[in-house]
Amino acid sequence: GDKVKQSPSALSLQEGTNSALRCNFSIAATTVQWFLQNPRGSLINLFYLVPGTKENGRLKSAFDSKESYSTLHIRDAQLEDSGTYFCAADPMDSNYQLIWGSGTKLIIKP
Amino acid sequence: EAAVTQSPRNKVAVTGGKVTLSCNQTNNHNNMYWYRQDTGHGLRLIHYSYGAGSTEKGDIPDGYKASRPSQENFSLILELATPSQTSVYFCASGDYYEQYFGPGTRLTVL
Repeated sequence: GDKVKQSPSALSLQEGTNSALRCNFSIAATTVQWFLQNPRGSLINLFYLVPGTKENGRLKSAFDSKESYSTLHIRDAQLEDSGTYFCAADPMDSNYQLIWGSGTKLIIKP
Repeated sequence: EAAVTQSPRNKVAVTGGKVTLSCNQTNNHNNMYWYRQDTGHGLRLIHYSYGAGSTEKGDIPDGYKASRPSQENFSLILELATPSQTSVYFCASGDYYEQYFGPGTRLTVL
């Protein structure tokens, strides 16, 4: 099965609303990264996390290594938040390789 | 100023031809990576490198070679391109587990 499972796989929101995306891990990860792939295809770094939380503007992310999950919260969603969100975790014994989730496609409607 | 650049950005090749995709980074990162992304899917690791002169096989190395002649440059080589290698290719650089991506190269093999 998937070592990094993202949910939901797709989500449609009205502008101005809030959402939460989740990654569950079946590996013992020590760090997590979140990326946004925008509609042009560019991969944008959002967060790089050790266990704990980080916040950047309307985005907030948490990583709980003991419970093996990470979340990404989007507050007051804007049209430019549309795209596909990926999480990627390191499996400790991977020599700096990442294990990727399959992504959450987010559509923000005006 | 973009820290990871890729060339070409778009490429059309013929089956059996040789294709070289180039990546340059100004982050002074030790690690560099080549991924491919197929429509509707996440990223899959092809080759990676820990520094100049080193190349390592990722999850899907068959049909690909890599070359790291310097800290800044990392190339992906398709000696005999096949239509199944039609994809978008991303290069990334990083230290430890944090990775930063280039804009991608869209390769079509006819």
